[in-house]
Amino acid sequence: KQEVTQIPAALSVPEGENLVLNCSFTDSAIYNLQWFRQDPGKGLTSLLLIQSSQREQTSGRLNASLDKSSGRSTLYIAASQPGDSATYLCAAKTTTDSWGKLQFGAGTQVVVTP
Amino acid sequence: EAQVTQNPRYLITVTGKKLTVTCSQNMNHEYMSWYRQDPGLGLRQIYYSMNVEVTDKGDVPEGYKVSRKEKRNFPLILESPSPNQTSLYFCASSAWSLGDETQYFGPGTRLLVL
Repeated sequence: KQEVTQIPAALSVPEGENLVLNCSFTDSAIYNLQWFRQDPGKGLTSLLLIQSSQREQTSGRLNASLDKSSGRSTLYIAASQPGDSATYLCAAKTTTDSWGKLQFGAGTQVVVTP
Repeated sequence: EAQVTQNPRYLITVTGKKLTVTCSQNMNHEYMSWYRQDPGLGLRQIYYSMNVEVTDKGDVPEGYKVSRKEKRNFPLILESPSPNQTSLYFCASSAWSLGDETQYFGPGTRLLVL
């Protein structure tokens, strides 16, 4: 069974610093990997989705990379802002698992201080 | 506006009293899924549906039922709720057949079982 880990569980950075968030997975047979943002008391918002054939995806200040051989995905947020404070989760869909299954990491809680 | 809606948003009930949490999406998505989110455990998948009348178990299906009679609706049924089902529940949908499997989440339903 695919296991997804996000370390650290919490992170605090000063405004303007680049954020690097890590997501590790045990089964390299990834179909796709998705990054989400969750604000307190709210649902999840999809940030980026990387297909298995892609190495990275970019949207504005966000860049996500996927390295299947090492079992890692990294989300980079450039020039962080207080509005980036949230919990970030990654989720993996694996080709060796049932098609509809998705495995989530527990998330990294980010605080960006002014 | 494209969205996933859930009702109710908050619910307090007692052990054994059957309840249904509704989920509806207006994006004509084939895929829908239910998750529960608990502190320290992240999101865990309960059930998912690839299309009308096609449902399958996720990682934590015990104590839950689902049905998919219409494409837009995917209700979650707790026949005899117990206190260990106290949690934050999310419904999600995506259009898997078009190659874009970005998941769209509802706002969540917070359930307390006494």
